[in-house]
Amino acid sequence: DQQVKQNSPSLSVQEGRISILNCDYTNSMFDYFLWYKKYPAEGPTFLISISSIKDKNEDGRFTVFLNKSAKHLSLHIVPSQPGDSAVYFCAASAGSNDYKLSFGAGTTVTVRA
Amino acid sequence: ETGVTQTPRHLVMGMTNKKSLKCEQHLGHNAMYWYKQSAKKPLELMFVYSLEERVENNSVPSRFSPECPNSSHLFLHLHTLQPEDSALYLCASKGRVAGRETQYFGPGTRLLVL
Repeated sequence: DQQVKQNSPSLSVQEGRISILNCDYTNSMFDYFLWYKKYPAEGPTFLISISSIKDKNEDGRFTVFLNKSAKHLSLHIVPSQPGDSAVYFCAASAGSNDYKLSFGAGTTVTVRA
Repeated sequence: ETGVTQTPRHLVMGMTNKKSLKCEQHLGHNAMYWYKQSAKKPLELMFVYSLEERVENNSVPSRFSPECPNSSHLFLHLHTLQPEDSALYLCASKGRVAGRETQYFGPGTRLLVL
C-alpha cells in the first residue's frame, strides 16, 4: 500500500520558469516531509524538508508548501535552472526522529534551455 | 558526495552466483539502511540497522542477507537471486541536517541478474 504518491511521473519546464512538483499522502500520522533530488548514477540527496507545524519552508530557490487538511505537499523551484533536471522524490515519516521514511515514485524534471 | 560509499557500482550475476554488496560511512551515524529501487517505483525499504542491531526486515526474501559488523559498514549478501531482483540497491545512513534527522544515500549498486 503506497502511502506517498507522486502522480506526475515527469515535468518539463522552460529555464527561468517555475517548476511545481506535487505529492499526496494517505497516512495522517506523517508529520515530517522531505524532498530528495537524484541525478543519474548518484544516490538521492536531501533537498528540503518541512515539519507539520509549518505550512511553508523556503530555502533559496526551493519552497515546500504543506496542506495538512488535503494531505498534500508541493515543491516549487523558481527560477528553474538546467542543473535542476533530475528526479525528485517526496518522502514522509511519522516523527522527525523516526527511522523509517516512505517514498513516492519520483517525478523526473527536465528544464529546457 | 554524501560520505556514504557503495561497492561495486555495477554488478552482473547469474542466478546461481553468490555476491555481496558493501556500504561504508564514516559520518558517525549509527543507523544504516538498504533500499531497493526498481524502475518507476518508490524506494522500497529492505533492512534497517540501528547501533548494529537489525530493527527492520521488511518482508525481504531470504536470498538477501544483510550483515552489519560495525556502525560504519553494512553488507548485503546475495545468493540464488531471480531476474526480478535486478534493480538499483541503495545504502543510506541517518544523520542530522540543520537540526533535523535525514538520510544520506550512497550512489547505489546497479544489479543485473541474468
